[in-house]
Amino acid sequence: NAGVTQTPKFQVLKTGQSMTLQCAQDMNHNSMYWYRQDPGMGLRLIYYSASEGTTDKGEVPNGYNVSRLNKREFSLRLESAAPSQTSVYFCASWGAGSPLHFGNGTRLTVT
Amino acid sequence: GDSVTQMEGPVTLSEEAFLTINCTYTATGYPSLFWYVQYPGEGLQLLLKATKADDKGSNKGFEATYRKETTSFHLEKGSVQVSDSAVYFCALSQYNFNKFYFGSGTKLNVKP
Repeated sequence: NAGVTQTPKFQVLKTGQSMTLQCAQDMNHNSMYWYRQDPGMGLRLIYYSASEGTTDKGEVPNGYNVSRLNKREFSLRLESAAPSQTSVYFCASWGAGSPLHFGNGTRLTVT
Repeated sequence: GDSVTQMEGPVTLSEEAFLTINCTYTATGYPSLFWYVQYPGEGLQLLLKATKADDKGSNKGFEATYRKETTSFHLEKGSVQVSDSAVYFCALSQYNFNKFYFGSGTKLNVKP
C-alpha cells in the first residue's frame, strides 16, 4: 500500500519556467490537498479538492493552478515560477474515518 | 478565521526529560484537534487526535487533552527519547474535514 506518492522529489527551476507536480493516492480518498511548507510558517494550504471534479482555493493560491484528473490524481502547476515559490510542497489526501495522509514532499528551488 | 498557534522552537531536552509543547486554537464551533509529527525528509504522520471537548488523545507515550475552556491542546510526554527528535505540528479541522489548519511547527531535539 503506497499511500500518497509525489513526484518529483527534487526540482530546480529558473525564474519563469513552468512545471507540474504530480500526486497520486491509492486509498480511494475523496479529498486531496496541496500544501507548501516554509521555515517558521508551518504548512499553508494552496488548493484543495473535496471530491473528484471540484477544486477550491486555499490560503495561498496565487501563482498556482491545480487539476483533479480523477479520484486518484491531483496535480499542481506553476505556470511561471518565481523565487518566492521556493519551498517544500506536500500533497495529502483524506477520507472519512481516516487521518490526513501526506506524501514525502517535493523540494523545489527557483533561482 | 480558524487558526492554530503553537510554541516556537527549537525545544532542546535531555533524554528522559518531561516534554510539553503548547498549542492553542481559534475556531468557531467544535473542531477536531490533531498532533502530527514530521521526521527528517518525510511527510507528516498523525500522532494523536481528539474529536470533542475533554477527550484525551494518546499514542507512543504522548498525550494531549482537548480543553475547550482554554482553547488548548498541549502535547505532553513524560520521558522523551532521542528517537522523538522531530518537528511536531498542531492542527485543527472543522466537522466537514474539508480543510485542515496547521500551526507553524515546533522542532524538538533530544540529546542523549
